[in-house]
Amino acid sequence: GESVGLHLPTLSVQEGDNSIINCAYSNSASDYFIWYKQESGKGPQFIIDIRSNMDKRQGQRVTVLLNKTVKHLSLQIAATQPGDSAVYFCAENTGTYKYIFGTGTRLKVLA
Amino acid sequence: DAGVTQSPTHLIKTRGQQVTLRCSPKSGHDTVSWYQQALGQGPQFIFQYYEEEERQRGNFPDRFSGHQFPNYSSELNVNALLLGDSALYLCASSWKRSEQFFGPGTRLTVL
Repeated sequence: GESVGLHLPTLSVQEGDNSIINCAYSNSASDYFIWYKQESGKGPQFIIDIRSNMDKRQGQRVTVLLNKTVKHLSLQIAATQPGDSAVYFCAENTGTYKYIFGTGTRLKVLA
Repeated sequence: DAGVTQSPTHLIKTRGQQVTLRCSPKSGHDTVSWYQQALGQGPQFIFQYYEEEERQRGNFPDRFSGHQFPNYSSELNVNALLLGDSALYLCASSWKRSEQFFGPGTRLTVL
Protein backbone atom coordinates (compact mmCIF):
# COMPACT_ATOMS: atom_id res chain seq x y z
CA GLY A 1 0.00 0.00 0.00
CA GLU A 2 0.96 3.63 0.11
CA SER A 3 3.73 4.48 2.50
CA VAL A 4 6.20 7.18 3.32
CA GLY A 5 9.20 6.03 5.30
CA LEU A 6 12.41 7.43 6.69
CA HIS A 7 15.87 5.88 6.60
CA LEU A 8 17.14 7.06 10.00
CA PRO A 9 15.00 7.09 13.12
CA THR A 10 17.49 9.26 15.07
CA LEU A 11 20.07 11.75 13.83
CA SER A 12 22.59 13.42 16.13
CA VAL A 13 24.54 16.44 14.87
CA GLN A 14 26.87 18.98 16.38
CA GLU A 15 25.59 22.49 16.78
CA GLY A 16 26.63 24.53 13.76
CA ASP A 17 26.89 21.54 11.45
CA ASN A 18 24.52 20.86 8.59
CA SER A 19 21.79 18.21 9.00
CA ILE A 20 20.32 16.01 6.30
CA ILE A 21 17.11 14.10 6.95
CA ASN A 22 16.00 11.59 4.34
CA CYS A 23 12.64 10.21 3.32
CA ALA A 24 11.55 7.56 0.82
CA TYR A 25 8.09 7.51 -0.64
CA SER A 26 6.40 4.70 -2.52
CA ASN A 27 3.55 6.35 -4.42
CA SER A 28 4.82 7.57 -7.78
CA ALA A 29 1.55 9.49 -8.21
CA SER A 30 2.40 11.83 -5.33
CA ASP A 31 2.84 15.35 -6.62
CA TYR A 32 3.22 17.43 -3.47
CA PHE A 33 5.53 16.95 -0.50
CA ILE A 34 5.85 18.71 2.83
CA TRP A 35 8.34 18.63 5.66
CA TYR A 36 7.00 19.16 9.16
CA LYS A 37 8.76 19.73 12.48
CA GLN A 38 7.15 18.47 15.66
CA GLU A 39 8.41 19.52 19.07
CA SER A 40 7.44 17.72 22.22
CA GLY A 41 3.86 18.45 23.25
CA LYS A 42 3.06 20.34 20.07
CA GLY A 43 1.41 19.62 16.76
CA PRO A 44 3.45 19.39 13.53
CA GLN A 45 4.68 22.71 12.18
CA PHE A 46 5.07 23.36 8.44
CA ILE A 47 8.69 23.88 7.40
CA ILE A 48 8.85 23.76 3.63
CA ASP A 49 7.06 22.17 0.70
CA ILE A 50 7.87 21.17 -2.85
CA ARG A 51 5.84 20.16 -5.88
CA SER A 52 6.79 17.34 -8.19
CA ASN A 53 7.68 19.73 -11.03
CA MET A 54 10.62 20.98 -8.96
CA ASP A 55 13.86 19.31 -7.85
CA LYS A 56 14.92 21.79 -5.20
CA ARG A 57 13.42 24.49 -3.07
CA GLN A 58 15.13 26.71 -0.53
CA GLY A 59 13.83 28.46 2.52
CA GLN A 60 15.49 30.14 5.45
CA ARG A 61 18.30 27.74 6.47
CA VAL A 62 16.37 24.81 4.95
CA THR A 63 16.48 23.18 1.56
CA VAL A 64 14.30 20.37 0.26
CA LEU A 65 15.52 18.13 -2.53
CA LEU A 66 13.25 15.84 -4.53
CA ASN A 67 14.51 12.96 -6.64
CA LYS A 68 11.51 11.51 -8.45
CA THR A 69 13.59 8.86 -10.20
CA VAL A 70 14.31 7.05 -6.95
CA LYS A 71 11.33 8.47 -5.04
CA HIS A 72 13.49 10.18 -2.45
CA LEU A 73 13.06 13.39 -0.53
CA SER A 74 15.56 15.10 1.75
CA LEU A 75 15.57 18.05 4.12
CA GLN A 76 18.81 19.93 4.63
CA ILE A 77 19.17 22.23 7.62
CA ALA A 78 22.13 24.59 7.52
CA ALA A 79 24.02 25.59 10.67
CA THR A 80 21.88 23.42 12.92
CA GLN A 81 20.85 25.09 16.17
CA PRO A 82 19.61 23.67 19.50
CA GLY A 83 16.13 24.91 18.62
CA ASP A 84 16.13 22.57 15.64
CA SER A 85 15.93 19.57 17.96
CA ALA A 86 12.61 17.90 17.20
CA VAL A 87 11.02 15.08 15.23
CA TYR A 88 10.82 15.73 11.51
CA PHE A 89 8.19 14.19 9.25
CA CYS A 90 7.83 14.12 5.52
CA ALA A 91 4.33 13.94 4.11
CA GLU A 92 3.08 13.28 0.60
CA ASN A 93 -0.09 14.12 -1.24
CA THR A 94 -1.44 12.62 -4.45
CA GLY A 95 -3.72 15.49 -5.31
CA THR A 96 -6.44 14.38 -2.93
CA TYR A 97 -7.25 15.88 0.45
CA LYS A 98 -5.32 13.15 2.28
CA TYR A 99 -1.74 13.57 3.43
CA ILE A 100 0.39 10.50 4.14
CA PHE A 101 3.03 10.96 6.81
CA GLY A 102 6.18 8.99 7.42
CA THR A 103 7.16 7.66 10.85
CA GLY A 104 9.55 10.52 11.60
CA THR A 105 13.22 11.17 12.35
CA ARG A 106 14.35 12.54 15.67
CA LEU A 107 17.03 15.22 15.31
CA LYS A 108 19.26 15.77 18.31
CA VAL A 109 21.55 18.78 18.31
CA LEU A 110 24.64 18.34 20.45
CA ALA A 111 26.17 21.39 22.10
CA ASP B 1 -5.01 35.05 16.28
CA ALA B 2 -5.22 32.04 18.58
CA GLY B 3 -4.34 29.53 15.89
CA VAL B 4 -5.88 26.06 15.96
CA THR B 5 -7.20 25.13 19.38
CA GLN B 6 -8.23 21.71 20.65
CA SER B 7 -10.01 20.52 23.76
CA PRO B 8 -9.55 18.81 26.03
CA THR B 9 -5.77 18.58 26.33
CA HIS B 10 -5.82 15.17 27.95
CA LEU B 11 -8.53 12.56 28.38
CA ILE B 12 -8.71 9.17 30.05
CA LYS B 13 -11.47 6.72 29.12
CA THR B 14 -12.14 3.02 29.59
CA ARG B 15 -12.75 0.42 26.90
CA GLY B 16 -16.22 0.55 25.41
CA GLN B 17 -16.81 4.18 26.24
CA GLN B 18 -17.40 6.98 23.78
CA VAL B 19 -15.39 10.19 23.45
CA THR B 20 -15.84 13.56 21.73
CA LEU B 21 -12.89 15.77 20.87
CA ARG B 22 -13.23 19.37 19.74
CA CYS B 23 -11.33 21.63 17.39
CA SER B 24 -11.56 25.32 16.57
CA PRO B 25 -9.80 26.22 13.33
CA LYS B 26 -7.50 29.13 12.74
CA SER B 27 -9.34 32.34 11.89
CA GLY B 28 -10.22 32.46 8.20
CA HIS B 29 -9.93 28.70 7.69
CA ASP B 30 -12.85 26.66 6.41
CA THR B 31 -11.41 23.14 6.23
CA VAL B 32 -10.65 20.81 9.14
CA SER B 33 -8.75 17.53 9.02
CA TRP B 34 -8.31 15.03 11.84
CA TYR B 35 -5.30 12.81 12.37
CA GLN B 36 -4.41 10.05 14.82
CA GLN B 37 -0.80 9.90 15.98
CA ALA B 38 0.26 6.82 17.89
CA LEU B 39 3.35 7.09 20.09
CA GLY B 40 6.50 7.10 17.97
CA GLN B 41 4.57 7.20 14.71
CA GLY B 42 3.58 9.76 12.14
CA PRO B 43 0.06 11.17 12.00
CA GLN B 44 -2.53 9.02 10.22
CA PHE B 45 -5.30 10.78 8.29
CA ILE B 46 -8.77 10.07 9.68
CA PHE B 47 -10.98 12.38 7.65
CA GLN B 48 -11.48 15.92 6.40
CA TYR B 49 -14.48 18.22 6.71
CA TYR B 50 -15.41 21.04 4.39
CA GLU B 51 -18.73 22.87 4.14
CA GLU B 52 -20.04 20.73 7.00
CA GLU B 53 -19.53 17.50 5.07
CA GLU B 54 -16.95 14.73 5.24
CA ARG B 55 -14.96 15.19 2.07
CA GLN B 56 -12.45 12.37 2.33
CA ARG B 57 -11.81 9.55 4.76
CA GLY B 58 -8.76 7.50 5.63
CA ASN B 59 -8.63 3.83 6.64
CA PHE B 60 -10.52 4.13 9.91
CA PRO B 61 -13.61 2.17 10.98
CA ASP B 62 -17.06 3.65 11.28
CA ARG B 63 -16.53 3.96 15.03
CA PHE B 64 -14.77 7.18 14.09
CA SER B 65 -17.17 9.90 13.04
CA GLY B 66 -17.13 13.64 12.91
CA HIS B 67 -19.02 16.80 12.41
CA GLN B 68 -18.34 20.32 11.24
CA PHE B 69 -20.44 23.23 12.41
CA PRO B 70 -21.42 26.39 10.50
CA ASN B 71 -18.66 28.31 12.29
CA TYR B 72 -16.16 25.76 10.86
CA SER B 73 -15.35 24.21 14.23
CA SER B 74 -15.34 20.44 14.30
CA GLU B 75 -15.81 17.43 16.53
CA LEU B 76 -14.32 13.96 16.36
CA ASN B 77 -16.35 11.18 17.95
CA VAL B 78 -15.05 7.71 18.69
CA ASN B 79 -17.44 5.00 19.86
CA ALA B 80 -16.75 1.67 21.56
CA LEU B 81 -13.21 2.68 22.50
CA LEU B 82 -10.44 0.10 22.20
CA LEU B 83 -7.05 0.10 23.89
CA GLY B 84 -5.53 0.69 20.48
CA ASP B 85 -7.35 4.00 20.18
CA SER B 86 -4.92 5.49 22.69
CA ALA B 87 -3.07 8.19 20.78
CA LEU B 88 -2.60 11.89 20.20
CA TYR B 89 -5.47 13.23 18.09
CA LEU B 90 -4.50 16.18 15.96
CA CYS B 91 -6.71 18.67 14.23
CA ALA B 92 -5.43 20.67 11.28
CA SER B 93 -7.16 23.56 9.58
CA SER B 94 -6.62 25.24 6.23
CA TRP B 95 -8.32 27.56 3.82
CA LYS B 96 -9.41 25.39 0.89
CA ARG B 97 -6.31 23.32 0.04
CA SER B 98 -3.73 25.74 1.32
CA GLU B 99 -1.13 25.01 4.00
CA GLN B 100 -2.44 23.05 7.00
CA PHE B 101 -1.93 24.42 10.49
CA PHE B 102 -2.01 21.88 13.29
CA GLY B 103 -3.33 22.25 16.79
CA PRO B 104 -1.47 20.93 19.88
CA GLY B 105 -3.59 17.78 19.95
CA THR B 106 -5.65 15.88 22.50
CA ARG B 107 -3.92 13.01 24.27
CA LEU B 108 -6.43 10.15 24.66
CA THR B 109 -5.64 7.25 26.95
CA VAL B 110 -7.92 4.21 26.91
CA LEU B 111 -7.64 1.90 29.93
